[in-house]
Amino acid sequence: ETGVTQSPTHLIKTRGQQVTLRCSSQSGHNTVSWYQQALGQGPQFIFQYYREEENGRGNFPPRFSGLQFPNYSSELNVNALELDDSALYLCASSQTATSGVGDEQFFGPGTRLTVL
Amino acid sequence: QKEVEQDPGPLSVPEGAIVSLNCTYSNSAFQYFMWYRQYSRKGPELLMYTYSSGNKEDGRFTAQVDKSSKYISLFIRDSQPSDSATYLCAMNRGSNYQLIWGAGTKLIIKP
Repeated sequence: ETGVTQSPTHLIKTRGQQVTLRCSSQSGHNTVSWYQQALGQGPQFIFQYYREEENGRGNFPPRFSGLQFPNYSSELNVNALELDDSALYLCASSQTATSGVGDEQFFGPGTRLTVL
Repeated sequence: QKEVEQDPGPLSVPEGAIVSLNCTYSNSAFQYFMWYRQYSRKGPELLMYTYSSGNKEDGRFTAQVDKSSKYISLFIRDSQPSDSATYLCAMNRGSNYQLIWGAGTKLIIKP
């Protein structure tokens, strides 16, 4: 069974640029969630995609957008990068979009984004 | 004030000691409580989950939830150097899937 993979591992961008991060979900999972984890902080929920539709969004501006593809892989796009966007971006996949115990999210290793 | 508070540490203990990690929270609507372990340069890994109040044991790990005090704990018995990691608590209301996370406690187990 293949776990959650993310690419690239590291990325350096300058302020104002745009970035696309990619995530391949675990086999059999149809839900992908994206999180931003600043240094020394817990992850912050960005949004979730379930069967190619956005299924919930955290307190992030519209310049954070995403896609989920028919194979349930996903992209996170960030436009007009700001210095505060520097963080570890985590993708997590799960079998369902419902809450509760048993609906474990499996995390990828993350993409570390640095904005200069 | 953050919804979930967690001491960032670091917490350093000798090998074999019992470790106690804690989180407090302010929202009484939280129903599901989880502990994740995160090694350096890795994504979080689910260790324990609990629904509502009570205790749950899994090997060397015990999770406790006290909803009346809005306080959750993770105990690690017979700690090992391989337990050295950042431990994050997370919880949600049950009505949606958004997890609210603590900042994480860095744990160091000294051989």
